[in-house]
Amino acid sequence: QSALTQPASVSGSPGQSITISCTGTSSDVGSYNLVSWYQQHPGKAPKLMIYEGSKRPSGVSNRFSGSKSGNTASLTISGLQAEDEADYYCCSYAGSTPYVFGTGTKVTVL
Amino acid sequence: QVQLVESGGGLVKPGGSLRLSCAASGFTFSDYYMSWIRQAPGKGLEWVSYISSSGSTIYYADSVKGRFTISRDNAKNSLYLQMNSLRAEDTAVYYCARVLSGYLIDYWGQGTLVTVSS
Repeated sequence: QSALTQPASVSGSPGQSITISCTGTSSDVGSYNLVSWYQQHPGKAPKLMIYEGSKRPSGVSNRFSGSKSGNTASLTISGLQAEDEADYYCCSYAGSTPYVFGTGTKVTVL
Repeated sequence: QVQLVESGGGLVKPGGSLRLSCAASGFTFSDYYMSWIRQAPGKGLEWVSYISSSGSTIYYADSVKGRFTISRDNAKNSLYLQMNSLRAEDTAVYYCARVLSGYLIDYWGQGTLVTVSS
């Protein structure tokens, strides 16, 4: 199973919105509505931000939203803040594999 | 609150072995599937292994199959990863993670660094 494809970097100014894409195949992203997104600050453990494509865990800001179309999932961060600067990874459940992660995206707040 | 604390990492020579442990607290460990995920220095996340709540279902990534063994002790609220025949490319921070509803990785430990080098 190959890694899901994400842009290496995305940047935006404070207050702007940015979107990170996550492209897989019909065997992972396209087959399951089970894409999750994780935020990772340097030297820290990943934190769950979105699950089942668009659901937010308790405590996660509503500035984070997710969606999916076909084999591509997306994470949108609205009202970008300095604390959002981090690496972001998507992850799809893939059956017997059972997980495939994205290549990761570095978000920079200008 | 959910706590996952990994231990057992360190420096090991190629071909050597290491056993990682993960101590879980703040939830009923025996109710949850668990997983190991690793991250090579400066690289992305790679899923390594997964075990069901009873230990009856286990999966491995192709990159570690036949060399790594995942296990758990529900009486001790602990997860393990026995790593044999280690290679330089196994160098990474290894994270222990809780799996919700059999599919969602929802909590991660802080990780333990494994370095394979001569």
